[in-house]
Amino acid sequence: GAGVSQSPSNKVTEKGKDVELRCDPISGHTALYWYRQSLGQGLEFLIYFQGNSAPDKSGLPSDRFSAERTGGSVSTLTIQRTQQEDSAVYLCASTSRRGGVGELFFGEGSRLTVL
Amino acid sequence: QKEVEQDPGPLSVPEGAIVSLNCTYSNSAFQYFMWYRQYSRKGPELLMYTYSSGNKEDGRFTAQVDKSSKYISLFIRDSQPSDSATYLCAMTPQGAQKLVFGQGTRLTINP
Repeated sequence: GAGVSQSPSNKVTEKGKDVELRCDPISGHTALYWYRQSLGQGLEFLIYFQGNSAPDKSGLPSDRFSAERTGGSVSTLTIQRTQQEDSAVYLCASTSRRGGVGELFFGEGSRLTVL
Repeated sequence: QKEVEQDPGPLSVPEGAIVSLNCTYSNSAFQYFMWYRQYSRKGPELLMYTYSSGNKEDGRFTAQVDKSSKYISLFIRDSQPSDSATYLCAMTPQGAQKLVFGQGTRLTINP
């Protein structure tokens, strides 16, 4: 596709369940980012991939959060034992820049609601 | 204290008004400054990109950076209803691999 694709667009789950969020970056983009956007909180950095490696995972809030990237392309963000405070929009972005950030191209996000 | 502070608004102005959006920051290492625009239920998209201090103009939009005051601004002239969106400032040090975002300001332009 032409842009960053995320799925599901909406996810409602019960507290304690695990969820997986998927991101398909723009073809050829080597860097991939996950951000979280909560109401009134702006974008909170979670993790950054260069290729399949994650040099910076400092933003993951707890060990319930993990992410992987395979084939230098698709990435999955997994949240285990979801809590109500995990409710947010999870945004994925990609860029072709290696040195420095450059312009980030964002997907439309996955809106997670934990009941 | 957050590294980047941005008034979340909401801000509502009449069509044709000049809009001023601002961010302050605390990290003097920030060198690249950006403004992203986010329409409802969409991802943010880059609007303006500036390096270090100074002004940059693109059509009705002007971005200003004052590193001495750690203050950046986005001005929108002749505002249009289609400018209604959330505006996020973002910044990063040179060579860094991630952007630090402000909270975003929700702007509504009333016809």
